[in-house]
Amino acid sequence: KAGVTQTPRYLIKTRGQQVTLSCSPISGHRSVSWYQQTPGQGLQFLFEYFSETQRNKGNFPGRFSGRQFSNSRSEMNVSTLELGDSALYLCASSLGQLQETQYFGPGTRLLVL
Amino acid sequence: KNEVEQSPQNLTAQEGEFITINCSYSVGISALHWLQQHPGGGIVSLFMLSSGKKKHGRLIATINIQEKHSSLHITASHPRDSAVYICAAGVGGNMRFGAGTRLTVKP
Repeated sequence: KAGVTQTPRYLIKTRGQQVTLSCSPISGHRSVSWYQQTPGQGLQFLFEYFSETQRNKGNFPGRFSGRQFSNSRSEMNVSTLELGDSALYLCASSLGQLQETQYFGPGTRLLVL
Repeated sequence: KNEVEQSPQNLTAQEGEFITINCSYSVGISALHWLQQHPGGGIVSLFMLSSGKKKHGRLIATINIQEKHSSLHITASHPRDSAVYICAAGVGGNMRFGAGTRLTVKP
């Protein structure tokens, strides 16, 4: 089975722009979660989608949004980018049970200038 | 106080040593995860625990639900074990993460 894929892998944007990141889960997985990793804050939970519905949301401003499609692929969008949004964005997929291994993608490294 | 506390932050060991990394959490959880992250960012899930103990090769993970504490042990450490180890606790994908333990194993 192919693993979790994320596109693009690297991205450079300027302040004020918006960005869309994509995550394709392992085939058959219905849950996709997104995380932000920065040197200062470490790993933080952004949101979790299951069967096209947002199941949980972390403590991030409304500029961060996401969605999940019927094929379980997920996108996250960040509008009005700030310098502090520079980070590694990771997604993870699972079947959707509450006690289950999360399979992580390679991440998208975003640099905001 | 962070919801997930990990110790130590940094750990240097000689090849062959027994290593222990500790994790305490204060959030309600359905599972506790131990993750490994190598330079470059990729994260691999080592263990998912909801009770008791699990073993994969030289790695052992334990959890005490009553004390809200988990440990990751590496027996006979090897330089290829050098990585950042992260404890994560939560419900489904809604996880809170420890700050990570940077492990360096010297030959």
